[in-house]
Amino acid sequence: DAGVTQSPTHLIKTRGQQVTLRCSPKSGHDTVSWYQQALGQGPQFIFQYYEEEERQRGNFPDRFSGHQFPNYSSELNVNALLLGDSALYLCASSFVLAGGRGSTDTQYFGPGTRLTVL
Amino acid sequence: GNSVTQMEGPVTLSEEAFLTINCTYTATGYPSLFWYVQYPGEGLQLLLKATKADDKGSNKGFEATYRKETTSFHLEKGSVQVSDSAVYFCALSKGSQAGTALIFGKGTTLSVSS
Repeated sequence: DAGVTQSPTHLIKTRGQQVTLRCSPKSGHDTVSWYQQALGQGPQFIFQYYEEEERQRGNFPDRFSGHQFPNYSSELNVNALLLGDSALYLCASSFVLAGGRGSTDTQYFGPGTRLTVL
Repeated sequence: GNSVTQMEGPVTLSEEAFLTINCTYTATGYPSLFWYVQYPGEGLQLLLKATKADDKGSNKGFEATYRKETTSFHLEKGSVQVSDSAVYFCALSKGSQAGTALIFGKGTTLSVSS
């Protein structure tokens, strides 16, 4: 059973560029969340996708956007990169309970994509 | 708002020593509580969880009890090993029908020497 996978592993960009990160959720999961982890800090919630829509968003600017595909995989896009966007970007997956009872609160994380902005 | 506070690290122990990493939280409602572990160069792994007051989560010799009266979820292990060296994150879930976000503490680095 494959866990959460992310690509690429590492990425180097320059200020002002745009970047796309990719995530495939754990088998059986339909919800994808993205987190930013700066060096020496805990992960910060960016947003969560379910049924191809953004369902919840953390305190991040509009430069951060996402997409979820019919196969539940997801992309994180960051425009106009800043030096401060350098971080480990983590994807996590979970699933929605039947009967409209919301998503489970246990999330499983991928290995992350290390983004360096020069 | 919701937040998690962990004890400052690093925590340095000898093998077979007793471990405690303190975690307290501020939250509205009744969040679920988690401990995640991050080994060098890797993503986060779920270590244990508890979903309601007085629940005890346990895994791989680690334990934590959800204490609503003290808003705490301290991580303990009776005898640490060198392989336990990692960064440990306490987290709570902020859930709704729309979705669930995890709110993390800053992490505590554990270093175990033989």
